Amino acid sequence: AQTVTQSQPEMSVQEAETVTLSCTYDTSESDYYLFWYKQPPSRQMILVIRQEAYKQQNATENRFSVNFQKAAKSFSLKISDSQLGDAAMYFCAYRSGSNYQLIWGAGTKLIIKP
Amino acid sequence: NAGVTQTPKFQVLKTGQSMTLQCAQDMNHEYMSWYRQDPGMGLRLIHYSVGAGITDQGEVPNGYNVSRSTTEDFPLRLLSAAPSQTSVYFCASSYFSGSYEQYFGPGTRLTVT
Repeated sequence: AQTVTQSQPEMSVQEAETVTLSCTYDTSESDYYLFWYKQPPSRQMILVIRQEAYKQQNATENRFSVNFQKAAKSFSLKISDSQLGDAAMYFCAYRSGSNYQLIWGAGTKLIIKP
Repeated sequence: NAGVTQTPKFQVLKTGQSMTLQCAQDMNHEYMSWYRQDPGMGLRLIHYSVGAGITDQGEVPNGYNVSRSTTEDFPLRLLSAAPSQTSVYFCASSYFSGSYEQYFGPGTRLTVT
């Protein structure tokens, strides 16, 4: 069975600096998708970035980028120029290409220091 | 587009009571699902549906029922509430094609006393 592990329960970063959140996953499949979701105090789950396993290029969305290491089964999220609005829980999630269910990590709480 | 809507936002139940959490989406998504979120844990799948009339169990289905009579609606029923069902519940939906991004409702915070 697939698993997703986020080893950092909490991270903090100074405003305007860069922070990297870690995620590892375990799968024997070759076709899958990886996601980072953000959950601010409002509780709403918001998609931050997605990565298709067949794509070698790392996904980027404005200040958010990933480091996708397929062989190492690692999918870290880098947030550049951190802003106070980035404070939230961040969840890593895996989805098989043959199954529509998302497998979730336990989350990392990101604190932004002004 | 309203996206995914959930009602109610908050609910308090007594042990043994039943209730239905409502979920609706207006994006014509085939796939819909219910999750529960507990402190220190990621989301856990309760039930899901791949189309009208088709539902299946997820990781933690006990104590919950679902049905899907239309593409838009996917209600979650708590049959006899227990304190262990105190949680935040999310409904989500997605297309089958593409990267399968799931769109989430705002969640329902349920407390069972």
